[in-house]
Amino acid sequence: SQQGEEDPQALSIQEGENATMNCSYKTSINNLQWYRQNSGRGLVHLILIRSNEREKHSGRLRVTLDTSKKSSSLLITASRAADTASYFCATGKEAGTALIFGKGTTLSVSS
Amino acid sequence: EAQVTQNPRYLITVTGKKLTVTCSQNMNHEYMSWYRQDPGLGLRQIYYSMNVEVTDKGDVPEGYKVSRKEKRNFPLILESPSPNQTSLYFCASSLEKTGTSYGYTFGSGTRLTVV
Repeated sequence: SQQGEEDPQALSIQEGENATMNCSYKTSINNLQWYRQNSGRGLVHLILIRSNEREKHSGRLRVTLDTSKKSSSLLITASRAADTASYFCATGKEAGTALIFGKGTTLSVSS
Repeated sequence: EAQVTQNPRYLITVTGKKLTVTCSQNMNHEYMSWYRQDPGLGLRQIYYSMNVEVTDKGDVPEGYKVSRKEKRNFPLILESPSPNQTSLYFCASSLEKTGTSYGYTFGSGTRLTVV
């Protein structure tokens, strides 16, 4: 039951550059979340944005949500090697349904 | 520290030998869930539980069992493992199924190999 789809599938940048990942989804949502996964480890919750919000910040992370286009973006500013990981979006719908995860964007930050 | 603890971290077993992967959370979460993660397929939900003694199938439940006798524990049981169950498994918990409050908290994962 795939809902969110991240783009690009893989992204390679240099330290200090900004990284932008996108997530598109098909049906209406009430929230969208971003998670990070270091290689072979568990997913870690980064940020949640509700359907009535357009932008949210957390440290070097900036998330936008455009419900008219059914898309979200995650911007990581001034990337570090430690940001190397896979990033997943997860969409939440009405009450009683579980989060649905996309397949992720693999980010590689080289020093 | 608030966390979801999975054990073991790595497991190699033979076809047909019953095994259990344990999952425990210390956050008093009502909702718990098991996922498997395979290359190119993303995270797929196996089973979930809304509360003690309340469990339900996810997207890929075949070959798995779960139980929820206590709120904190949600073990995953493979009664007769087969090689196609070789995967990376994650347990997750949350205050609620939608994850609207604080998202899901994941365990560190169990890498299972069935030979």
